[in-house]
Amino acid sequence: GQQLNQSPQSMFIQEGEDVSMNCTSSSIFNTWLWYKQDPGEGPVLLIALYKAGELTSNGRLTAQFGITRKDSFLNISASIPSDVGIYFCAGRSGMEAAGNKLTFGGGTRVLVKP
Amino acid sequence: NAGVTQTPKFQVLKTGQSMTLQCAQDMNHNSMYWYRQDPGMGLRLIYYSASEGTTDKGEVPNGYNVSRLNKREFSLRLESAAPSQTSVYFCASRTGRANQPQHFGDGTRLSIL
Repeated sequence: GQQLNQSPQSMFIQEGEDVSMNCTSSSIFNTWLWYKQDPGEGPVLLIALYKAGELTSNGRLTAQFGITRKDSFLNISASIPSDVGIYFCAGRSGMEAAGNKLTFGGGTRVLVKP
Repeated sequence: NAGVTQTPKFQVLKTGQSMTLQCAQDMNHNSMYWYRQDPGMGLRLIYYSASEGTTDKGEVPNGYNVSRLNKREFSLRLESAAPSQTSVYFCASRTGRANQPQHFGDGTRLSIL
């Protein structure tokens, strides 16, 4: 099946730092989504990307849909404590008729530096 | 603003017991999904229902069955629970319109002893 490699698996942040994470795929996607999951809750959509090359921002978050359609990255600028959580990328390659199935990356766990 | 509601939130089962996880959405969405989440593996699709009256297997369907009871409700059943099915289960739903994302419930934490 399709594989999404998400990196890094975990990272420590200090308030005010910029952070980056990315996802790469062995196959082409036509949609990339970035979700954030807080402890005890379900994933919440942060940013959706629908066109190759698209760069989209949501507050301090910026995500890009790679030109090759096989990768995407998420940047968080000026991180704050509430940015802690697990970030997931997800890709969709199928058509509506195929049920809009998503493939998820393994997640990037963002933690605060002690 | 209920969105996607999953019940129960927590459950402990013994090996061999059966269990049905419930999911309901109040957004009039056409498509519904069941995922399991295991450490370091993201979310893996178990079953999905693209529209009322249809269900299809996802990536990891073995050991599970589903029922799309009506447009609102999509249940996941474990007929004979196994320790390997210890996981966090998430239900999601989505409208059938193009370029619309999936919305997730808060999960059911299931432990099988």
